[in-house]
Order: sequence, then C-alpha cells, then structure tokens
Amino acid sequence: EAGVAQSPRYKIIEKRQSVAFWCNPISGHATLYWYQQILGQGPKLLIQFQNNGVVDDSQLPKDRFSAERLKGVDSTLKIQPAKLEDSAVYLCASSLEAGPFGLHFGNGTRLTVT
Amino acid sequence: AQTVTQSQPEMSVQEAETVTLSCTYDTSESDYYLFWYKQPPSRQMILVIRQEAYKQQNATENRFSVNFQKAAKSFSLKISDSQLGDAAMYFCAYRGLLNSKLTFGKGITLSVRP
Repeated sequence: EAGVAQSPRYKIIEKRQSVAFWCNPISGHATLYWYQQILGQGPKLLIQFQNNGVVDDSQLPKDRFSAERLKGVDSTLKIQPAKLEDSAVYLCASSLEAGPFGLHFGNGTRLTVT
Repeated sequence: AQTVTQSQPEMSVQEAETVTLSCTYDTSESDYYLFWYKQPPSRQMILVIRQEAYKQQNATENRFSVNFQKAAKSFSLKISDSQLGDAAMYFCAYRGLLNSKLTFGKGITLSVRP
C-alpha cells in the first residue's frame, strides 16, 4: 500500500512569512494527525482529525497555526506568521481508529525559520 | 494526562552485542498500548514493536523484545545482535484505549560501533 505522502520535504522561510504543508494519508485511514518535532525532542501532537472533524487541537497555537482536512482525505497545515521557534520537523500520520495499531508516518517537512 | 519518560539521551553498543533502552510512563488508565518507534536520519518514524497492556506476555519481533512491567509502569526495549542499521533515534510512545493519538517520550539516540 502507498504510505503517507507529505510535501514539501524542506522549507526555509523568514520570520513573519507564511508557510503551508500538505499531507495525503493512507487510503481508508479515517484519522489524521499533525505532529511537531523540535530538534532533539519527541513529536508533539498539534492536531488530530477524525474524517474532516477535529478531535484534539489543544496544543495547536491557534493564533498562528491553522489546519484543515477537506473531504476527510488530504490535509494542510499553515503557519502565519512564522516565528523562529517554529523551526522543526512537521510530521503527518494516519491510522485506523480501532484496534491496537500504531500510526503510519510520512517523511515529514523540515521547516527552518530565519 | 499521560506522560512518557526516556531519561537516557544517548546510548552506544558494539555491533553484535545486546542493548536495552529504558522507558517509563505514567497513566491512570488500566488498558492501553505501548510502542517503540525508530527514527533514522530519513526522519520517517518506523514502528518497531507494540505491547498491549492487558497481555502479560512480553512482545517479541525478531531481534527486538520488550520487558513490560505494568505495576512499575516500565517498558524497556532490548535489541539483540545489534546491527549498524539499528543506529537511529528510538522513541517510546503511549496510546490510550479510547483515543488513537500517541504520546511520545523525548527519545534516545542509539549509535552502533563496528
């Protein structure tokens, strides 16, 4: 089966600019996640979607981050305006909801804010 | 809220030797799942092994096995016959029964000496 697709692979922007990341989950996976992984740390959940509804966005900095999942498939994560501390790898993952399954991850987008 | 602690930032092992990576967690739930993920420089998180908390038997996947101590809330990963390709960051993760999101530890960097 095809894995989780993410783009771009790398992105460099200046602070106060905006940026968007795209994710296409594994076909049939109803749940989609965006994680932020700062260098040297474990991934931190930003937002979780079930189909096209938000399940958990408690750690999403809503003043600058937004995410949507149109038609319950692809998702985009946007940062506007970016800050230096947003430099991180942004990982998208998807899963089947039921059962003891782990998450399937994409290759991530490495964002550098200068 | 659940927390996952990996207190060792780095470990090193000689090729063909055995190494154990430690993880502790905190939860008030009685049923849950635990995972070990591997993250090589390519950044993609790869599932290594999972454990269901209701199972007393420790999970094993080829050279990888866990020591799950539910009462002590401890979940360590043992890698036998270490190979150069095992060098990566390893993350311990927790998943509750009702919600599929993962909570990660900070990770440990494993190096393998030839």
